[in-house]
Amino acid sequence: EVQLVEFGGGLVQSGGSLRLSCAASGFTFSSYSMNWLRQSPGKELEWISYISSSSDIIYYADSVKGRFTISRDNAKNSLYLQMNSLRDDDTAVYYCGRDKRDPTWYFDLWGRGTLVTVSS
Amino acid sequence: EMMLTQSPGTLSLSPGERATLSCRASQTVNSNYLAWYQHKTGQAPRLLIYGVFNRATGIPDRFSASGSGTDFTLTISRLEPEDFAVYYCQHYGSSPLTFGPGTKVDVK
Repeated sequence: EVQLVEFGGGLVQSGGSLRLSCAASGFTFSSYSMNWLRQSPGKELEWISYISSSSDIIYYADSVKGRFTISRDNAKNSLYLQMNSLRDDDTAVYYCGRDKRDPTWYFDLWGRGTLVTVSS
Repeated sequence: EMMLTQSPGTLSLSPGERATLSCRASQTVNSNYLAWYQHKTGQAPRLLIYGVFNRATGIPDRFSASGSGTDFTLTISRLEPEDFAVYYCQHYGSSPLTFGPGTKVDVK
């Protein structure tokens, strides 16, 4: 089955760190660029980071730049998001989203998300 | 930053009825780079439409979309029980890409 599964969310204190993972299955992970997106309670979906299929191109939204790091391991079919210096407004459901090798910037496969709650 | 507004916020309809959802952009959407997604609680969001009117793989033809410039529409010709969900539009023609707040289609 073609799917993405996020895990690693949880409750963390403000200023803390968390590492999210996204496991891909059913398709050739190394042929696709990948993204992280999030949705905070009562807010719109927000794109936060992009990584190319070979990890040579990486982008971040201004809201997470300098605090979050995206990475991937194609041998393990996995995408990661290292989140440091977490703030209350980082509380959200975090999704991984698939794009084509040459990005189109819309996302044809998503996971169900993992909830991150930042508590002060 | 381009803002997307969606209307109505909630659409209450019965199975078999036609649903018409609107997405309005604060600026012209470049090259018609607009997508629509369906999201059910606890499930993965699902791409329905890209490039304003192109159905994604496996999307039934009761879903159609149109529009240009700043005004876009998603139409579900006859609602099936599995179509009750939240629908989001997304532009991707300029940075940052943004999503609308969603329209919830629920059972009347």
